[in-house]
This record gives sequence, structure tokens and C-alpha cells, in this order.
Amino acid sequence: SSELTQDPAVSVALGQTVRITCQGDSLRSYYASWYQQKPGQAPVLVIYGKNNRPSGIPDRFSGSSSGNTASLTITGAQAEDEADYYCNSRDSSGNHPFGGGTKLTVL
Amino acid sequence: QLQLQESGPGLVKPSETLSLTCTVSGGSISSSSYYWGWIRQPPGKGLEWIGSIYYSGSTYYNPSLKSRVTISVDTSKNQFSLKLSSVTAADTAVYYCARHLTGYSPNNWFDPWGQGTLVTVSS
Repeated sequence: SSELTQDPAVSVALGQTVRITCQGDSLRSYYASWYQQKPGQAPVLVIYGKNNRPSGIPDRFSGSSSGNTASLTITGAQAEDEADYYCNSRDSSGNHPFGGGTKLTVL
Repeated sequence: QLQLQESGPGLVKPSETLSLTCTVSGGSISSSSYYWGWIRQPPGKGLEWIGSIYYSGSTYYNPSLKSRVTISVDTSKNQFSLKLSSVTAADTAVYYCARHLTGYSPNNWFDPWGQGTLVTVSS
């Protein structure tokens, strides 16, 4: 199956570390990419490949993977990190599903 | 820098065909390694990948939409297009286009994205 599963909601205290996970069988073979989406805005790529950040993305964002689980970690979460986060990957048949998304609340 | 812009009707009647175009500026749609993708987001819901196309015309489609979707490319205009047939209210969504790196490697990502365009299906 190429489905990707994310927790619907996660919260973190300001300045603390939070991990957002994405589970799926395809992640054993393909990297996940991660997107941040704020209300009324288009998604923005924050992590791709093994653990790469596009230009302009703060280094508090990092990615990792183990088995069928990919993770996005925000170390020292800021108020501006409050957003929806989506993972995406692909499978061997050429399907490229998104996870259901995780709403991050910064307390 | 590379920019993408969606365009097309904001209102489509049920059973008709939704048609959108994405215009790429600041770079060539014929760049090697990159596909060009469509993603949608119903109001208040998550992202759904629709499909992607290479400049040569090679495509990937979401299996759940494949029977209704056609994606095409016009390299002379630096544009690619989406057609979704037999639409219903469930196809109401913000439609995004994006550059898509995929292919034979383990890597896969969408960047950058267009701003999105809302398409409402209603009579």
C-alpha cells in the first residue's frame, strides 16, 4: 500500500522540540518530503531527500527516517511554526500520495 | 526565480470538464529531471496529488482519478494543463501546480508551488 499516515494534531511548548511522523510501507524504499502550510497560503517545501532544507528554511527543521517511518523534527519551535504539515512520498507504481496532514499548535 | 501560475474558470457545472493551465516563468518547462504536477485541496481538507507530466509527455496519475484526468504539456508556451472530466461537487478544491522532482531515484518533492486557484463545481 502507498498510503501515508500522520497524527492529525500535535502540540509543543514554545522553544521545545517536536517530532511529526509519517508512516507508510513506501518509506522503506523512498524518501519523504515535508511541506508546511499556513492558512490561506500554498504549501512550502521544508525538507526533502535524506535530510535537506531548501534555501531559506531555518535549520531548526530536520528530517530523518527509520524503517517505514519518516519524521520531521523542529528543534526549538517558534510561534511562526504553527501550521499544517504534510508528508509526501512515492511508490514503485508511480503513485505519489500525501499524508493526511498534522496540525501543529505552538503553546 | 522559478514561478508558477494557475489559470482557468473558477466555476464549473456538474458533469462538465474542469480545465486549468499552469504557466511557468523564470525557467524552462523542458528542464531535464523535473516533472510538473497538479495537486488539489478541498476546503478544510488535506492535499491530494492528481498527477504529473514530463516535458516529453510521460505521465504519472493518481490511480483514484486516472479515469477522469488528462495532463498535457505545451513546451512552446512553457505551460502544462489539467483536464478533469465528469466533475461533481466533490471536485471543488483549490488546485495547485508545482514543479515535481521524481523519477527513478528515491527522491521526490514538489517545489516551488503556484499560489493555487479555487474551482467550485456548482450549477
